[in-house]
Amino acid sequence: GENVEQHPSTLSVQEGDSAVIKCTYSDSASNYFPWYKQELGKGPQLIIDIRSNVGEKKDQRIAVTLNKTAKHFSLHITETQPEDSAVYFCAASGDTGFQKLVFGTGTRLLVSP
Amino acid sequence: GAVVSQHPSRVICKSGTSVKIECRSLDFQATTMFWYRQFPKQSLMLMATSNEGSKATYEQGVEKDKFLINHASLTLSTLTVTSAHPEDSSFYICSAPLAGGAETQYFGPGTRLLVL
Repeated sequence: GENVEQHPSTLSVQEGDSAVIKCTYSDSASNYFPWYKQELGKGPQLIIDIRSNVGEKKDQRIAVTLNKTAKHFSLHITETQPEDSAVYFCAASGDTGFQKLVFGTGTRLLVSP
Repeated sequence: GAVVSQHPSRVICKSGTSVKIECRSLDFQATTMFWYRQFPKQSLMLMATSNEGSKATYEQGVEKDKFLINHASLTLSTLTVTSAHPEDSSFYICSAPLAGGAETQYFGPGTRLLVL
């Protein structure tokens, strides 16, 4: 089955800096890669996703890149703000029909003012 | 985005009792919903796939008789933790894809279960 690894486990940056979180997946059949932000005591919130037919996607300060050959994808957050502080999870999915998500281990991002 | 709600948001119960958690899709229909469990500072682990009108499918290692799932309508799935024990204490989260076969999943706010 699919296995998703995520790095780093924690990331501390200064406000205004960029943050990059990387994930690798094992199943070459996976074709959908969402990123979720989870604040303490809340459910995950979808922030951006990418499908395997696209190499990069951007939404304001957030971007995701995908390298299918190397089986890795990354989340890029520019101009970080304190409210970006949260745990970020990557996930991969490739089942036919209803998609089961396999999550990475999470990255705790701390943005200091 | 689509809205998924859960009730209750938190529950404390005595060991041996059963607890029911509801997951509702508020502005869309969901023939499939997913149930996850998350322990502190850990990732989300899929427990089961809830299918409207049919039996749920459980992930390996998840006891179907312990975690009863009922998907009675296109907007409601329930998870019942039967004969709960302290090791069942966790954060339970449901999700639903926006439309049949869609990949994008929206998550509920989670239910914190504490078994004393």
